[in-house]
Amino acid sequence: KQEVTQIPAALSVPEGENLVLNCSFTDSAIYNLQWFRQDPGKGLTSLLLIQSSQREQTSGRLNASLDKSSGRSTLYIAASQPGDSATYLCAVPWGDYKLSFGAGTTVTVRA
Amino acid sequence: GAVVSQHPSRVICKSGTSVKIECRSLDFQATTMFWYRQFPKQSLMLMATSNEGSKATYEQGVEKDKFLINHASLTLSTLTVTSAHPEDSSFYICSARDNLDVSSFGPGTRLTVL
Repeated sequence: KQEVTQIPAALSVPEGENLVLNCSFTDSAIYNLQWFRQDPGKGLTSLLLIQSSQREQTSGRLNASLDKSSGRSTLYIAASQPGDSATYLCAVPWGDYKLSFGAGTTVTVRA
Repeated sequence: GAVVSQHPSRVICKSGTSVKIECRSLDFQATTMFWYRQFPKQSLMLMATSNEGSKATYEQGVEKDKFLINHASLTLSTLTVTSAHPEDSSFYICSARDNLDVSSFGPGTRLTVL
């Protein structure tokens, strides 16, 4: 089973700064990695999915990189906005398409 | 994209009662659905894998007799928390795997047991 670690646990930045969220996993034999956003009391919104053959994936202000050999992924959010305040979770598959989640990074963007 | 719904979104019940939570894939068929539990300020923990037409597979430490899972059709899986107790209070989230092997998540169900 995968062990997933996310650093930092919490992050507070002023509006406009770039955000860097880190995710590490123990077993490099993954076929993809997903980043999710979770608002308080809500479900998960998928942000980006990186296939194992990809080095990065971009969607608007979001960019996620993947380094399988070192077991790391990084989510970059450019020019942060107050609406980006949420908890960001990374997840990697194991077994039969089950997902192991990190504990998340809670982001607060101050206006 | 693939849409997954859950019902109810929130439920409050008395200790000792049973609660059923439904998970539906709205625009695709899902042979496999997953049930996760999330305690406050913690991450999601997989409880079980729900397979259409067969028995669910439970993760270590999850009581199968307490958390009954039924995957009666390709679009519906149900989780029944039997004889609920306050320690079962949690956020329950389901996900469904589509034909591209991408997991889509439901909006979650907040269970509070008094």
